[in-house]
Amino acid sequence: LAKTTQPISMDSYEGQEVNITCSHNNIATNDYITWYQQFPSQGPRFIIQGYKTKVTNEVASLFIPADRKSSTLSLPRVSLSDTAVYYCLVPRASGSARQLTFGSGTQLTVLP
Amino acid sequence: KAGVTQTPRYLIKTRGQQVTLSCSPISGHRSVSWYQQTPGQGLQFLFEYFSETQRNKGNFPGRFSGRQFSNSRSEMNVSTLELGDSALYLCASSLDWENSYEQYFGPGTRLTVT
Repeated sequence: LAKTTQPISMDSYEGQEVNITCSHNNIATNDYITWYQQFPSQGPRFIIQGYKTKVTNEVASLFIPADRKSSTLSLPRVSLSDTAVYYCLVPRASGSARQLTFGSGTQLTVLP
Repeated sequence: KAGVTQTPRYLIKTRGQQVTLSCSPISGHRSVSWYQQTPGQGLQFLFEYFSETQRNKGNFPGRFSGRQFSNSRSEMNVSTLELGDSALYLCASSLDWENSYEQYFGPGTRLTVT
């Protein structure tokens, strides 16, 4: 199976926009790309999902290019409480099976 | 609506023993997935169940098994425990499994193997 790649860590300041990119290939044709947020000692929490182009909800935007080999999570005006690990979840086709593969995670630290 | 619950929250076992972890999904959710999380390997997919059937399986040895009951509750079992099985085991539920990955995670079971 091909690898999913995310930056290991990112630092930002309060009020800035943060963009985290996940690179992946061999995504299953009809499946969505999903992003999660995880705080210490908690399970991951769903943020946003998309299939192509751009999706926006009340907390984030997700940009997916036409070839779907990457996706970018955009967090507008981050605050200290956005400090967490962010994961992309990409369904991978492996023969007739599908594996739900999380990226390695990006530790976002928001500084005052 | 109650969230995903996992029991027990913490567990200490000895090498060679077996363990069973339990997961109760959100009411109305029919798909349950299990993941192993370790500092070295990150979040790794174990298996996914829908309507009592295993739909997908990750790359784990046969010592890891699971099942889903008619009420969508799920259990996973690890036999012949090894030190490397020490991890946080997370369960997630979703409405269905086909195209939506809006999963809701439980707090996890922290398993320590000594």
